[in-house]
Amino acid sequence: AQRVTQPEKLLSVFKGAPVELKCNYSYSGSPELFWYVQYSRQRLQLLLRHISRESIKGFTADLNKGETSFHLKKPFAQEEDSAMYYCALSGGNQGGKLIFGQGTELSVKP
Amino acid sequence: DGGITQSPKYLFRKEGQNVTLSCEQNLNHDAMYWYRQDPGQGLRLIYYSQIVNDFQKGDIAEGYSVSREKKESFPLTVTSAQKNPTAFYLCASSGSQGNTIYFGEGSWLTVV
Repeated sequence: AQRVTQPEKLLSVFKGAPVELKCNYSYSGSPELFWYVQYSRQRLQLLLRHISRESIKGFTADLNKGETSFHLKKPFAQEEDSAMYYCALSGGNQGGKLIFGQGTELSVKP
Repeated sequence: DGGITQSPKYLFRKEGQNVTLSCEQNLNHDAMYWYRQDPGQGLRLIYYSQIVNDFQKGDIAEGYSVSREKKESFPLTVTSAQKNPTAFYLCASSGSQGNTIYFGEGSWLTVV
């Protein structure tokens, strides 16, 4: 079964601390993985995708096929990073549709 | 201003009534999607359409219906058969398979 799991509902860190939002997936083929972010009162938007191998707002995520993980990391969290983060998967036979994890709320305290 | 527009933003419905949520995009995207967002459950796919006049059921299609008569429009009807309709509904679109999916601002539906 295709599934995305985000084990933490809430992650609370202090400003300047490293942050890692966990994401594990289950998929039989070669998936494409994404991280979406939803800031307060804003629409859900793409943060980054694994094929781009880029860093957005200081965040990076590496696809680990052996561990079937796509954890989101940032070395120094900022207060403006506080938001809801969703990991998502798209497979070659999915027709472009995404399968989302349950979401992790990140709270960065001053 | 390009993008995805959902309306209404807030909607109240009495039990037993059908209600239709509008989703319009001017991005010239072929594919459109409807997701339902519930606390602690993430986003779950209701219906999606990869091309005009065609659509497929997602993971939680029961109690919902859609149409795709025009490329830019993908309305969702929440029928009285939907047992727990109170939720936040998100519409999205993408250009083609593998492209980024863009989301609307969402519609809050409350059944009273």
